[in-house]
Amino acid sequence: EPEVTQTPSHQVTQMGQEVILRCVPISNHLYFYWYRQILGQKVEFLVSFYNNEISEKSEIFDDQFSVERPDGSNFTLKIRSTKLEDSAMYFCASRTSGVQETQYFGPGTRLLVL
Amino acid sequence: AQKVTQAQTEISVVEKEDVTLDCVYETRDTTYYLFWYKQPPSGELVFLIRRNSFDEQNEISGRYSWNFQKSTSSFNFTITASQVVDSAVYFCALSDLGNTGGFKTIFGAGTRLFVKA
Repeated sequence: EPEVTQTPSHQVTQMGQEVILRCVPISNHLYFYWYRQILGQKVEFLVSFYNNEISEKSEIFDDQFSVERPDGSNFTLKIRSTKLEDSAMYFCASRTSGVQETQYFGPGTRLLVL
Repeated sequence: AQKVTQAQTEISVVEKEDVTLDCVYETRDTTYYLFWYKQPPSGELVFLIRRNSFDEQNEISGRYSWNFQKSTSSFNFTITASQVVDSAVYFCALSDLGNTGGFKTIFGAGTRLFVKA
């Protein structure tokens, strides 16, 4: 069964460093998402991406964040200058275009900012 | 605005007890989807079920059952004869058209279920 994959599974970085989280969505999917879950809290929507542009973003998704689909298969989330509060699990998700379709979530990348 | 409320923060049961996890949602859309996910200690989100707003039929899958009631905007989840392996955080979630048609998913705060042997 096709699945969404994410790399790395864990990342440790120093405050102020840039990180790039990578996702490979399911191949025929057209909508892509990033979500964040701070430890012990709920999963929060960050951004949705369709047709090579952001279709919606939350208040969390400020200028420090950016997304890109650089090569037609990967979908990346970049955090420009990490802060301690960026420590969280980041989930990528994708779905096909049909409104009846489910989002499929990747296994997550656990980011720790020191 | 969309909202999902899981009022139960933690539930503790003894193995073989039945347990119901509550979920109440809010949305202005007539077309929407409701989900339950399980998050074990390893952290991944395990998809359990999806219901669309036009299908109020209850569903049973093994020891799991779901009760969807539009009249009360609730989508409750029952585990029958709970087992220790059911211990996890369970999230109820809502996906609707929203303002952009992107069908983002809004999650509840989660209910942590402890099943003791």
